[in-house]
Amino acid sequence: KAGVTQTPRYLIKTRGQQVTLSCSPISGHRSVSWYQQTPGQGLQFLFEYFSETQRNKGNFPGRFSGRQFSNSRSEMNVSTLELGDSALYLCASSLGSVVDEQYFGPGTRLTVT
Amino acid sequence: QKEVEQDPGPLSVPEGAIVSLNCTYSNSAFQYFMWYRQYSRKGPELLMYTYSSGNKEDGRFTAQVDKSSKYISLFIRDSQPSDSATYLCAIGGYQKVTFGTGTKLQVIP
Repeated sequence: KAGVTQTPRYLIKTRGQQVTLSCSPISGHRSVSWYQQTPGQGLQFLFEYFSETQRNKGNFPGRFSGRQFSNSRSEMNVSTLELGDSALYLCASSLGSVVDEQYFGPGTRLTVT
Repeated sequence: QKEVEQDPGPLSVPEGAIVSLNCTYSNSAFQYFMWYRQYSRKGPELLMYTYSSGNKEDGRFTAQVDKSSKYISLFIRDSQPSDSATYLCAIGGYQKVTFGTGTKLQVIP
């Protein structure tokens, strides 16, 4: 069974720009969660989607948004990028919930200059 | 107080040693306990998943949960250089999961 895939793997953007990241979950998994990982803060929960609906949201500004499609694929968008948004963005999928066994993708490394 | 506390290390051990990694948590309602391993420049990989108190063993890995003390542990027996990675604990309940900041482990040949 194929694992979680994320594209692109690396991105370099300029302050003020926007970015869209993509995640394809494991087949059959309906819950997709997004996390931001930085050396100082560790793994921080952004949001979770289930059946095309945002079910949970972490403590991040409205510049961070996401969506899920009918095939469970998900995208997250960050608008008006700031230097502090430089991080590894990880997507995880599970059968039904964030408390189920979550499987992570390789991440997208975003650098904002 | 953080919901989940994990010693960041780094922890350096000789090959073959028994490694003990630990996390404490504050919310007694948490019921799901997980350990992830993360190699440099990779996503976290699920190692162990347990529900409620007790022990769970998988090969050289043993996860232990003590809900009365709000303390979880991961033991690695016969540690190998390939175990060198960052280990993250994760604790969840009520549609929420919180990760520790990770302990960096180095196993020296």
